[in-house]
Amino acid sequence: EAGVTQSPTHLIKTRGQQATLRCSPISGHTSVYWYQQALGLGLQFLLWYDEGEERNRGNFPPRFSGRQFPNYSSELNVNALELEDSALYLCASSLGPLAPHPFTDTQYFGPGTRLTVL
Amino acid sequence: AQSVTQLGSHVSVSEGALVLLRCNYSSSVPPYLFWYVQYPNQGLQLLLKYTSAATLVKGINGFEAEFKKSETSFHLTKPSAHMSDAAEYFCAVSEGSSASKIIFGSGTRLSIRP
Repeated sequence: EAGVTQSPTHLIKTRGQQATLRCSPISGHTSVYWYQQALGLGLQFLLWYDEGEERNRGNFPPRFSGRQFPNYSSELNVNALELEDSALYLCASSLGPLAPHPFTDTQYFGPGTRLTVL
Repeated sequence: AQSVTQLGSHVSVSEGALVLLRCNYSSSVPPYLFWYVQYPNQGLQLLLKYTSAATLVKGINGFEAEFKKSETSFHLTKPSAHMSDAAEYFCAVSEGSSASKIIFGSGTRLSIRP
């Protein structure tokens, strides 16, 4: 069974540009989560999608957005890139939210996309 | 508001020795608690989770953690360290509410000495 895949592996952008990161969940998983792992800030929850809808987001500005497609893959878009957006962006998937608490699902993580903003 | 503190950014033990990684949490409601492991250049992997069932939780690779409400702790232990345990370990807390957010600790890097 294929795991969670992310592309690209590395992405280099300049300040002010837009970045698009992609994630394919494990087959059969409907929930996709995005996390940012930045140096000095640790691992932070960004976004959660399930069945095509944004279900929750962490404390990030609106220039961090995304979507989930009908095949449950997901895209994370970061607009107006800033230097501090440089980080490893991790995607995870799970079978789907166990009401009422999705984070009790076991999440399976991809290897991440390393975004560098120059 | 929920928070999690991991004591010790770096822990070093000898192969075969006890591993103890400390995690303390703060939560206004009964929490859900997790330990994740991140091997070099890889994503995270769930080691174990506490979801209000048994207070002693057994996970993968011989790790276990005990939920102690009176101490607001969820320390991770393994009786005998193996070289392959070298990695970064993250404790995380999530409140059992519909708000559905998760907060991670700053991580503890575990090194194993031969």
